[in-house]
Amino acid sequence: KAGVTQTPRYLIKTRGQQVTLSCSPISGHRSVSWYQQTPGQGLQFLFEYFSETQRNKGNFPGRFSGRQFSNSRSEMNVSTLELGDSALYLCASTFRTGAYTDTQYFGPGTRLTVL
Amino acid sequence: KNQVEQSPQSLIILEGKNCTLQCNYTVSPFSNLRWYKQDTGRGPVSLTIMTFSENTKSNGRYTATLDADTKQSSLHITASQLSDSASYICVVSAYSGGGADGLTFGKGTHLIIQP
Repeated sequence: KAGVTQTPRYLIKTRGQQVTLSCSPISGHRSVSWYQQTPGQGLQFLFEYFSETQRNKGNFPGRFSGRQFSNSRSEMNVSTLELGDSALYLCASTFRTGAYTDTQYFGPGTRLTVL
Repeated sequence: KNQVEQSPQSLIILEGKNCTLQCNYTVSPFSNLRWYKQDTGRGPVSLTIMTFSENTKSNGRYTATLDADTKQSSLHITASQLSDSASYICVVSAYSGGGADGLTFGKGTHLIIQP
């Protein structure tokens, strides 16, 4: 079974531009969540989608948005990029394994650099 | 406020030695605790997941323990190998009926194995 794929792997943008990142979850997984990872803050939750609906949202400004398509593929968009948006953006697909447990499978991430 | 604190922040040990990483949390209501391994430039990979009824779980040379009373967990690595060099992230899930926003991430322990 193929793992979680993210494209592109690396991206360089300038301040003020906008960017779209893509994530394809493991086949059969309907839940996709996005995270921002920086050296100072660690992993921070952005949002989660389940069956094309945003189920949860983290504490990020409205410049960060996302969506999920009927095939479970998800995209996240960041508008009006700022230097502080430079980070590794990780996508994870989730499979529930029990009443209190689930397994998250992370993609390799997209490394975004804002100049 | 839910928090996960990991110690030490970084650790250097010689190949073949054992080590123990610590995780203290204040997350309520507790659902499960997971340990992830993240190699440089890659997404995290799940090592173990424990619910409140489990106090130890092993995955090869990795053994995680959980004390739900003191809200502490440890990850013990036996006979370390060079490939164990990575960041180890403790993640605690609050029971929220599901959803990724119930996850609180530690900032990780950066482990370096020297030959």
